[in-house]
Amino acid sequence: QKEVEQNSGPLSVPEGAIASLNCTYSDRGSQSFFWYRQYSGKSPELIMFIYSNGDKEDGRFTAQLNKASQYVSLLIRDSQPSDSATYLCAVKWGAGSYQLTFGKGTKLSVIP
Amino acid sequence: GAVVSQHPSWVICKSGTSVKIECRSLDFQATTMFWYRQFPKQSLMLMATSNEGSKATYEQGVEKDKFLINHASLTLSTLTVTSAHPEDSSFYICSARLEASGGELFFGEGSRLTVL
Repeated sequence: QKEVEQNSGPLSVPEGAIASLNCTYSDRGSQSFFWYRQYSGKSPELIMFIYSNGDKEDGRFTAQLNKASQYVSLLIRDSQPSDSATYLCAVKWGAGSYQLTFGKGTKLSVIP
Repeated sequence: GAVVSQHPSWVICKSGTSVKIECRSLDFQATTMFWYRQFPKQSLMLMATSNEGSKATYEQGVEKDKFLINHASLTLSTLTVTSAHPEDSSFYICSARLEASGGELFFGEGSRLTVL
């Protein structure tokens, strides 16, 4: 059973702080990793994806991947109240697969 | 980014009726679309993979005769919930694969189904 695990939270951070969201996955053969943001009652929107070990930065967001530890994280710098949402980690298991398996998500609250 | 549109965004129906949800890729062609279901405070669960011009591939535990999927064109997939029951009430979300960007998935806005 291929699994994606996330702490459900809620994770509360003050405005302007760094929010750190973590995700672990069960299959070492996993190829691609995605972070989605989902506001309540809305569908997910892609924030960023990462394929290679290390860090990938996009604006205030940084994704970090450590395949040896089967761990991927998302850092949000200078957190804003508008960042308050549920963040979903998703994994694509193989090169020939287009399906994503989602974690249950971490609810983030940014306190003004 | 690419746009995927779902319709209706919400629907209320009586138990025993059928409901059709449409998923359209507005500015790109999608040979593959995915249908997910999300219950409150739960993650997205893949129901089926919709393939243009061929039968859908259903995940284990999803009844193909209850959740009918048709992908008749490169821009439209439909999900029909047949003989809906209250336990089918959920948030149904489709996504389409944009091959040009390496297979990135774009999600529709979701359709909230309430079965009375």
